[in-house]
Amino acid sequence: AQTVTQSQPEMSVQEAETVTLSCTYDTSESDYYLFWYKQPPSRQMILVIRQEAYKQQNATENRFSVNFQKAAKSFSLKISDSQLGDAAMYFCAYRLASGGGADGLTFGKGTHLIIQP
Amino acid sequence: AAGVIQSPRHLIKEKRETATLKCYPIPRHDTVYWYQQGPGQDPQFLISFYEKMQSDKGSIPDRFSAQQFSDYHSELNMSSLELGDSALYFCASSLVPLLAGPSTDTQYFGPGTRLTVL
Repeated sequence: AQTVTQSQPEMSVQEAETVTLSCTYDTSESDYYLFWYKQPPSRQMILVIRQEAYKQQNATENRFSVNFQKAAKSFSLKISDSQLGDAAMYFCAYRLASGGGADGLTFGKGTHLIIQP
Repeated sequence: AAGVIQSPRHLIKEKRETATLKCYPIPRHDTVYWYQQGPGQDPQFLISFYEKMQSDKGSIPDRFSAQQFSDYHSELNMSSLELGDSALYFCASSLVPLLAGPSTDTQYFGPGTRLTVL
């Protein structure tokens, strides 16, 4: 079974600074997808960024970028120019890439990100 | 843009009662997923449906059942409710590409239904 580990229960960063959230995963599969979801106090799950395992290039979405190290099974999220609205719980998630495409996500325990004004 | 709709948003039940949660996927999405998130926990995958057929199964209790209807909406039926069933239940939807091979579909989550069992 796949497992996702987020070793930082809580992180704090000053507004406008850069923060990196860590995520490692364990799988014996070679084709899979990795995601970062954000859950603000409203509890809505919002997709931040995704990475296909077969792509070597790291995904970026505006201020959000990932450092994907397939051999090390590591998938960290970097948030640049942190804003107050970035404060939330961040979940790393894994999904097997299969022909069916309806596989469920496996989530890590989450990292609570605090933005200091 | 239209999002995933879940109803009701809040539900309070007594132990041993039944509950039905409904999910309306994003228009043209053909796949629905159900997740359970307990207090202070990460979401746990329960079950998914693709084109009205069960596709993947996670940690769904035997007391729970679900189905997807012809209009692609889905219902999660929960019986003999227990205190431990109190949680936020998310539905997510996606569109599975027609071409065979690795899927890049992204799951978009609804706002959730908060179930409280007393």
